[in-house]
Amino acid sequence: SAVISQKPSRDICQRGTSLTIQCQVDSQVTMMFWYRQQPGQSLTLIATANQGSEATYESGFVIDKFPISRPNLTFSTLTVSNMSPEDSSIYLCSAGDRRSSGELFFGEGSRLTVL
Amino acid sequence: KQEVTQIPAALSVPEGENLVLNCSFTDSAIYNLQWFRQDPGKGLTSLLLIQSSQREQTSGRLNASLDKSSGRSTLYIAASQPGDSATYLCAVLDTGRRALTFGSGTRLQVQP
Repeated sequence: SAVISQKPSRDICQRGTSLTIQCQVDSQVTMMFWYRQQPGQSLTLIATANQGSEATYESGFVIDKFPISRPNLTFSTLTVSNMSPEDSSIYLCSAGDRRSSGELFFGEGSRLTVL
Repeated sequence: KQEVTQIPAALSVPEGENLVLNCSFTDSAIYNLQWFRQDPGKGLTSLLLIQSSQREQTSGRLNASLDKSSGRSTLYIAASQPGDSATYLCAVLDTGRRALTFGSGTRLQVQP
């Protein structure tokens, strides 16, 4: 299994600011993803973080709003830019390895509140 | 586009009951299916992983089955306990998309 650490665990942000969330995995993984979970909702995939190249975004999510980096096989960041109250959500990092079972693991999430 | 549905949306049972949570998906071309547990305000804990070639997996009081051809999975919880109270999420990993698609979850409450 993979252990995933996310920072920050929670934050309160002002409208119009940006926040970067970090995701660290304790082993090299082939797959890393970022999900959003709005209050009372299930998880929605934001993007696939690709190592060494631009992330692959899902419909409704754009790079200008959610820039993602993945410099290596164990680390990724998600930035939520120009935040508004509608961005208040839990953001979750997920990782797994297709070379093994393909099982995906999740971090504890980063709970953002935008005022 | 893959769609995952979970029934029921919420369930309340007395302690000790055996229960079944249902999950259905529209596209049978899956790589695997996972069941997760989420406690309020927390991340996801992986409970069971079923590969597309498997029919079921068991872990303790949990048993998950997969019928890929009909697009269904069930999670069976035996002898439920108050500590089982959580939201249970079903998710499928498509062979093509390479990312999990989640159902909306079943919120379980086990009454002591």
